[in-house]
Amino acid sequence: GESVGLHLPTLSVQEGDNSIINCAYSNSASDYFIWYKQESGKGPQFIIDIRSNMDKRQGQRVTVLLNKTVKHLSLQIAATQPGDSAVYFCAENMVNNNDMRFGAGTRLTVKP
Amino acid sequence: ETGVTQSPTHLIKTRGQQVTLRCSSQSGHNTVSWYQQALGQGPQFIFQYYREEENGRGNFPPRFSGLQFPNYSSELNVNALELDDSALYLCASSLYGGGPSTDTQYFGPGTRLTVL
Repeated sequence: GESVGLHLPTLSVQEGDNSIINCAYSNSASDYFIWYKQESGKGPQFIIDIRSNMDKRQGQRVTVLLNKTVKHLSLQIAATQPGDSAVYFCAENMVNNNDMRFGAGTRLTVKP
Repeated sequence: ETGVTQSPTHLIKTRGQQVTLRCSSQSGHNTVSWYQQALGQGPQFIFQYYREEENGRGNFPPRFSGLQFPNYSSELNVNALELDDSALYLCASSLYGGGPSTDTQYFGPGTRLTVL
């Protein structure tokens, strides 16, 4: 079936470097995409979202890029900090459907 | 902090028992969604409640049921517990405007359920 997935299960970066986490989706009917951060023992924390009528959205130190042609979503974190270490999930919401589908997650580790 | 609270934090049950998990939504939100997150996996959508009625359901059997109350809080009930039901159960609240797409969901800390 159609699903949301991630290219890399783990990512290790040096403190201060930029991080890029990628996500592939297969349902072209999805119109809303969200990135969540989940720290150990906690629920997912909303980071940033983007709707399908946009291809880029920026937040504080984070940028989400959406490429609908190749069904690809990425999260860029600038000047990665130790506090950014967590599992990052992308999720998609399909049109007229309240079922939000999550990918398996990417574990980001920031080395001091 | 999102303002979404869940209780209890942890719960241990035995196979065949029934369990009720509770969620209080963020102030101003009218919709609650429930997810099951197995260890090492992403959350899986169980169902959503809006205006005290089920408003969408994922691929979960009928022994997973829920309620939403007039104050928008919600319960998740699981009957005839199985070992595979051991997971983190998350609820998320949102403000549903009735449009084609669900608005941003904010998650609670979850309830860790262990079935022995």
